[in-house]
Amino acid sequence: AQSVTQPDIHITVSEGASLELRCNYSYGATPYLFWYVQSPGQGLQLLLKYFSGDTLVQGIKGFEAEFKRSQSSFNLRKPSVHWSDAAEYFCAVGGRSGGYQKVTFGIGTKLQVIP
Amino acid sequence: DAGVIQSPRHEVTEMGQEVTLRCKPISGHDYLFWYRQTMMRGLELLIYFNNNVPIDDSGMPEDRFSAKMPNASFSTLKIQPSEPRDSAVYFCASSGTGGRTNEKLFFGSGTQLSVL
Repeated sequence: AQSVTQPDIHITVSEGASLELRCNYSYGATPYLFWYVQSPGQGLQLLLKYFSGDTLVQGIKGFEAEFKRSQSSFNLRKPSVHWSDAAEYFCAVGGRSGGYQKVTFGIGTKLQVIP
Repeated sequence: DAGVIQSPRHEVTEMGQEVTLRCKPISGHDYLFWYRQTMMRGLELLIYFNNNVPIDDSGMPEDRFSAKMPNASFSTLKIQPSEPRDSAVYFCASSGTGGRTNEKLFFGSGTQLSVL
């Protein structure tokens, strides 16, 4: 069964500092990979997704993520964090085989941004 | 489009009462999902529909939970009877995959359920 591990439950960074959120997945082949962001009191919004091709994926709000097959990872990065980036971030994996495959989410990483 | 609309935003009820959560997906989307979010377990998929037909309900915790989608523009998630451990945020999401796997999910703002 597919699964996602986000090892960091909570991360604090200073505004302007760089950010990397970790994500490891378990799946028998190359999966679909996603990062979603949830602001307080809101639903999740897609930041970026990896389907195939270039392993470095660009998303909205200046985020990027790199798919590393050898490490089963899909870490999210941003070179300079803004206070408005404070939110919870979810990595997700979806299967490719057969018809529609449901998406499995990680437990989430809560990002705090300090001045 | 107004996006995925869920109601109510907040629900407080007493143990044993019936709770009904409602969802209107984005027009034209053919997949609808119900998720539950808790601190301990994160975001769990409860059930999803394709063209109004339930496809996978393996995530529904027990028989007290039921979901219906009578038409393409409306779905309900019902808990009867409710228990305190059902307290969580329930999200509805829709997707217009057209049969392709794993396109973008559009989430509603959720229903915060508190069972006392």
